[in-house]
Amino acid sequence: AQSVTQPDIHITVSEGASLELRCNYSYGATPYLFWYVQSPGQGLQLLLKYFSGDTLVQGIKGFEAEFKRSQSSFNLRKPSVHWSDAAEYFCAVGVGKLTFGTGTRLTIIP
Amino acid sequence: SAVISQKPSRDICQRGTSLTIQCQVDSQVTMMFWYRQQPGQSLTLIATANQGSEATYESGFVIDKFPISRPNLTFSTLTVSNMSPEDSSIYLCSMEMNTEAFFGQGTRLTVV
Repeated sequence: AQSVTQPDIHITVSEGASLELRCNYSYGATPYLFWYVQSPGQGLQLLLKYFSGDTLVQGIKGFEAEFKRSQSSFNLRKPSVHWSDAAEYFCAVGVGKLTFGTGTRLTIIP
Repeated sequence: SAVISQKPSRDICQRGTSLTIQCQVDSQVTMMFWYRQQPGQSLTLIATANQGSEATYESGFVIDKFPISRPNLTFSTLTVSNMSPEDSSIYLCSMEMNTEAFFGQGTRLTVV
């Protein structure tokens, strides 16, 4: 069975600081991995995805993620956060039928 | 990419009643998916809807409570039946295209 763990429920960072959100997965085959962002009252927006090739994936809004098979991880990073990045972030695994992590709420301090 | 139109965007319903949520996709897709997001929680898959066959429900979800229709390749509905306050959630439909999942904007349901 596939599963996703996001160990950090809530993270607070200062505007301009770097960010890393953790994601660990369990999947029986080569995983299809995704990061989504959900702003308050908004739908889900895909930030980036990985299913093969270069293990460092670039996404929208300046985000990137690195797939590490040996660690079963797919951590999301951003070198400098903006106040508009405050949102809920979900890591997910699967194709079509997705399994989501519990999410990490990101708060930005001015 | 794909566009999914979901409606209603929100509703407040009386307990014991039913609500039908509609999703329209701008392209033909074989499978559509319905998720529930309870307050402060992550998304949980309710069922997978294939055109021309019965929906496949995940553990903890049953057809009598969440009947799904899939009359063609661009449309699906989810009904939340005999609602109780515990059904207050955001319900989202989704489809997959070229390994990417696209989501509707969600229906925020409050049961009073």
